[in-house]
Amino acid sequence: GNSVTQMEGPVTLSEEAFLTINCTYTATGYPSLFWYVQYPGEGLQLLLKATKADDKGSNKGFEATYRKETTSFHLEKGSVQVSDSAVYFCALRRAAGNKLTFGGGTRVLVKP
Amino acid sequence: DGGITQSPKYLFRKEGQNVTLSCEQNLNHDAMYWYRQDPGQGLRLIYYSQIVNDFQKGDIAEGYSVSREKKESFPLTVTSAQKNPTAFYLCASSIHSGEQPGGYTFGSGTRLTVV
Repeated sequence: GNSVTQMEGPVTLSEEAFLTINCTYTATGYPSLFWYVQYPGEGLQLLLKATKADDKGSNKGFEATYRKETTSFHLEKGSVQVSDSAVYFCALRRAAGNKLTFGGGTRVLVKP
Repeated sequence: DGGITQSPKYLFRKEGQNVTLSCEQNLNHDAMYWYRQDPGQGLRLIYYSQIVNDFQKGDIAEGYSVSREKKESFPLTVTSAQKNPTAFYLCASSIHSGEQPGGYTFGSGTRLTVV
């Protein structure tokens, strides 16, 4: 079946540090891949997505590249801010009629 | 603006009571979902519905019930049979058809506390 594995948190960083959150997946075919962000006490917001191999999704300084050969979709940001403190979820969806499969989430804490 | 609205934001329930959480969307999405999130944990699927008047159990449906009488609405009832209902509940919606699978749109959540 489909599955998404994320690195466990919490990840604690200083402001302006480089952030990487690893995400690997298992799925047949060519799923669409997503990163969601959840700020404290709120719902999930779509951060970025990629729908085919070698696509790069980007938003708010975050980037992730769909790597079919390594079945990965790692999230990166070059210089984090305190406001980036949140929980980040990686997810995949094989087809429009299928449900999203979520990873377990990675909590990121950015200290000033 | 289109979106998905959950209400109330905070809800308190006495033991033995049923409570209903509201979820409404004006995105014309076919599918709707309910998730439960416990502190520091990921998302667990309670129920989902892909079309009106039809819904399926997710991974943790026991103690919950839903209805889908209208495309826009997918209320969740937490019954007294749910032994540990204190949690953060998230509703989501998505398009159910098309060539490109898009993501979900989430509501802002309802925090339910048993008192």
